[in-house]
Amino acid sequence: AQTVTQSQPEMSVQEAETVTLSCTYDTSESDYYLFWYKQPPSRQMILVIRQEAYKQQNATENRFSVNFQKAAKSFSLKISDSQLGDAAMYFCAYRGSIQGAQKLVFGQGTRLTINP
Amino acid sequence: DAMVIQNPRYQVTQFGKPVTLSCSQTLNHNVMYWYQQKSSQAPKLLFHYYDKDFNNEADTPDNFQSRRPNTSFCFLDIRSPGLGDAAMYLCATSRGQGFYEQYFGPGTRLTVT
Repeated sequence: AQTVTQSQPEMSVQEAETVTLSCTYDTSESDYYLFWYKQPPSRQMILVIRQEAYKQQNATENRFSVNFQKAAKSFSLKISDSQLGDAAMYFCAYRGSIQGAQKLVFGQGTRLTINP
Repeated sequence: DAMVIQNPRYQVTQFGKPVTLSCSQTLNHNVMYWYQQKSSQAPKLLFHYYDKDFNNEADTPDNFQSRRPNTSFCFLDIRSPGLGDAAMYLCATSRGQGFYEQYFGPGTRLTVT
């Protein structure tokens, strides 16, 4: 079964600085999808960024970018110019491509604190 | 503008008393999911509907059931809630699977007394 590991339960960063959240996963599939979701306190979970495994180019969404290393099975999230509104729990998630086995598998989450 | 709506936001029920949580969507998405999220943990998928096709996770207790009467609505029924069922229940939708984004509702926090 696929597993997703986030080794940093908590991270903190100064406002305007850059922070990187780590994520590794285990799979035997060659085609799959990776996601970072953000869950602010008492607010709903939203998608931050996603990556298709067959694409070598790292995904970027404004201040958010990923470092996707397929061979190493690593999918880290970089947040540049951190803002107070970035404070949240961040979940890395994996989804396979095999029909019938496409549930989203989440990591345990990293709680990000932004220090003003 | 609300896209995935969950009612109620907070639900208190008594041990063993059946409870139903509601989810509706304005996105016309094919897939609807129910997740259980306990404090400081990752969401755990209970089941999902792809249109009318129901897909139960192997480790979802029999105590949990779901209904999807139409595209817009999906219900989570807990037949006999135990103290261990106290959690946040998240509903999500997506147009399809694979690369499609899941849109989450705000959740219903269930307390069992």
